[in-house]
Amino acid sequence: KQEVTQIPAALSVPEGENLVLNCSFTDSAIYNLQWFRQDPGKGLTSLLLIQSSQREQTSGRLNASLDKSSGRSTLYIAASQPGDSATYLCAVNQGAQKLVFGQGTRLTINP
Amino acid sequence: GAVVSQHPSRVICKSGTSVKIECRSLDFQATTMFWYRQFPKQSLMLMATSNEGSKATYEQGVEKDKFLINHASLTLSTLTVTSAHPEDSSFYICSARDGGGGSHTEAFFGQGTRLTVV
Repeated sequence: KQEVTQIPAALSVPEGENLVLNCSFTDSAIYNLQWFRQDPGKGLTSLLLIQSSQREQTSGRLNASLDKSSGRSTLYIAASQPGDSATYLCAVNQGAQKLVFGQGTRLTINP
Repeated sequence: GAVVSQHPSRVICKSGTSVKIECRSLDFQATTMFWYRQFPKQSLMLMATSNEGSKATYEQGVEKDKFLINHASLTLSTLTVTSAHPEDSSFYICSARDGGGGSHTEAFFGQGTRLTVV
C-alpha cells in the first residue's frame, strides 16, 4: 500500500528566505506526482505536476524535483512571501487516476 | 488551468436529513471525477470514483448507501450524504482531470464543501 510522508509537518520562516519542503513515498511505481496548495477552509490549487519520466518542473518561484527511484520529491520556494503561507500537499498518482496524499506541510511566512 | 466548481461551499443540516453536493467541470469534460474527504488537520482520503453513465467505485470502508454518487453528464457529479449524522461532518472535495482523463494528466480540485451536521 502506497504511503506518502511529508516533512516537516509545520514550518515557520521569515519573509525572503528560500525553503524546501519534502515528500517521500514508499512505492516508486507512480505515473506522476503533484504538488498542491491549500488555504484554510478552501480547496486545492495545483502548483506543479511532475511526470514519472521527469526530474523537475518549475513555475515562477517554485521548483519541484522528483527522484522516483528513491521515492522522494522536494518543493523549493524561492524568496518566500507572506502570501505563500498555506498548507502544501504532495500527492502521487499510481494509476486509475487515483491520488494518494501526504499529510501536508503547514507553512507560515513571517513578515 | 481547468476549473472545477463545487457547490455549496458550506452547509449545515440536521441529523437524519440528506445533503447533496455538486461538482462541475466548467471548461472541460470529465468522464471520471473523484470525491475526497478531509478531516481537520488531516490529509485527503479518496472516498469514491465517479464514472459518467455508470456506477461509482467506492473505496474500502466507504458506505455506498450512505454516500450516493451520481454522474449523469460529462460535466456534473453529485454526492448525496443520506441520513446525515454528526460524524459525517467533514470537508468534502471533488476533483476531475482534463485531457481525456488519462492517468498522466493534471488533477484539478473544487473549492470544497464544509458539511456540519447538528
